[in-house]
Amino acid sequence: DAMVIQNPRYQVTQFGKPVTLSCSQTLNHNVMYWYQQKSSQAPKLLFHYYDKDFNNEADTPDNFQSRRPNTSFCFLDIRSPGLGDAAMYLCATSNTGRRLPYNSPLHFGNGTRLTVT
Amino acid sequence: GQQVMQIPQYQHVQEGEDFTTYCNSSTTLSNIQWYKQRPGGHPVFLIQLVKSGEVKKQKRLTFQFGEAKKNSSLHITATQTTDVGTYFCAGKETSGSRLTFGEGTQLTVNP
Repeated sequence: DAMVIQNPRYQVTQFGKPVTLSCSQTLNHNVMYWYQQKSSQAPKLLFHYYDKDFNNEADTPDNFQSRRPNTSFCFLDIRSPGLGDAAMYLCATSNTGRRLPYNSPLHFGNGTRLTVT
Repeated sequence: GQQVMQIPQYQHVQEGEDFTTYCNSSTTLSNIQWYKQRPGGHPVFLIQLVKSGEVKKQKRLTFQFGEAKKNSSLHITATQTTDVGTYFCAGKETSGSRLTFGEGTQLTVNP
């Protein structure tokens, strides 16, 4: 089945130690998103790739970076994790056209729960 | 910037009772989407509404989009324990590119 896959499901990192979360998709969708979700809160968009074009949200800390080497894969790099970065990180995809951008449903992966010790 | 407000934040019901969550945007929306997130799970797309005044049904779930395209509601008839989870609305501004999520309504159903 076509899907969005996130690895690992759980990630523990030390304060200040760089960590990378990965996402892959078999849906062949052109847009990939990274969301941060803290307990009992709404998903918060960090950034997204429209094809190869990177779009950063204005309030996303510089500590967060992303790479999309090809259509199928997208990575979230946290350069120096702080305690406040502990959260669920959700990758999502959508298939959207130039005429009606961002009007398509999001397909989420299972998420990676990040713990910072 | 765009704000999407959702009420109530929490709702506890007895199995068989009805449930409604409301979503209000500070700006006109081009579309609104609804997602369900089970405890420990990820958001799963339920439906998208695009037209002013649109009403869509999925079995016991009824979704409405307001005439002014600034509000929406999700109504569940005769809740079941399988309905437990957090329901999020997410709206896209007519002129914007971002999908903004509401804070969600956490539904618990007592058997």
